[in-house]
Amino acid sequence: QQQVKQSPQSLIVQKGGIPIINCAYENTAFDYFPWYQQFPGKGPALLIAIRPDVSEKKEGRFTISFNKSAKQFSLHIMDSQPGDSATYFCAASIWGATNKLIFGTGTLLAVQP
Amino acid sequence: NAGVTQTPKFQVLKTGQSMTLQCAQDMNHEYMSWYRQDPGMGLRLIHYSVGAGITDQGEVPNGYNVSRSTTEDFPLRLLSAAPSQTSVYFCASSYTGLAGTDEQYFGPGTRLTVT
Repeated sequence: QQQVKQSPQSLIVQKGGIPIINCAYENTAFDYFPWYQQFPGKGPALLIAIRPDVSEKKEGRFTISFNKSAKQFSLHIMDSQPGDSATYFCAASIWGATNKLIFGTGTLLAVQP
Repeated sequence: NAGVTQTPKFQVLKTGQSMTLQCAQDMNHEYMSWYRQDPGMGLRLIHYSVGAGITDQGEVPNGYNVSRSTTEDFPLRLLSAAPSQTSVYFCASSYTGLAGTDEQYFGPGTRLTVT
């Protein structure tokens, strides 16, 4: 049973576009929602994270939107660049147990020049 | 700091063989975890540790053993390799205690093929 569902599986946008990746979770005990970015041949790296006390968090061109009632959260990448081409994973865990992340299945993003 | 290091980078095993994947971190992190990454399935937690001498099972622990004798090292042992264990393995470490510092730092991964 996939506790964190991620869509789409892959995404192609033009440079400057705004790709949106969506995730939904089932466990209402989850209260920490990070996004990880992974380049080919590398380990994932934390991009941005949110706790449910806020509905939106922005860091640079990356924004997380969070909807607690719908148990959904999404990643928006503003003014996307070819260097943003990577695989993006959403994840969820309980705060204080964030070493036990439950990951989504990943979204392969390609930003065309 | 080297961060999280993993060895080897690549490994090919025959079914039934055993081996140990090494993981070390030099950030004095309390928490360490092992994940496996398979196409279309994201990363899944195998085992984790919250400190030296303390380990516990994650989502997919069968066929793997771990131990944590020091803060720095967290090896993953495959007891009798099976083709289903063909995957990319990632080790991660994190420090939990202060608000906003729960980032997990991932190593570069070990790509394992079992034939």
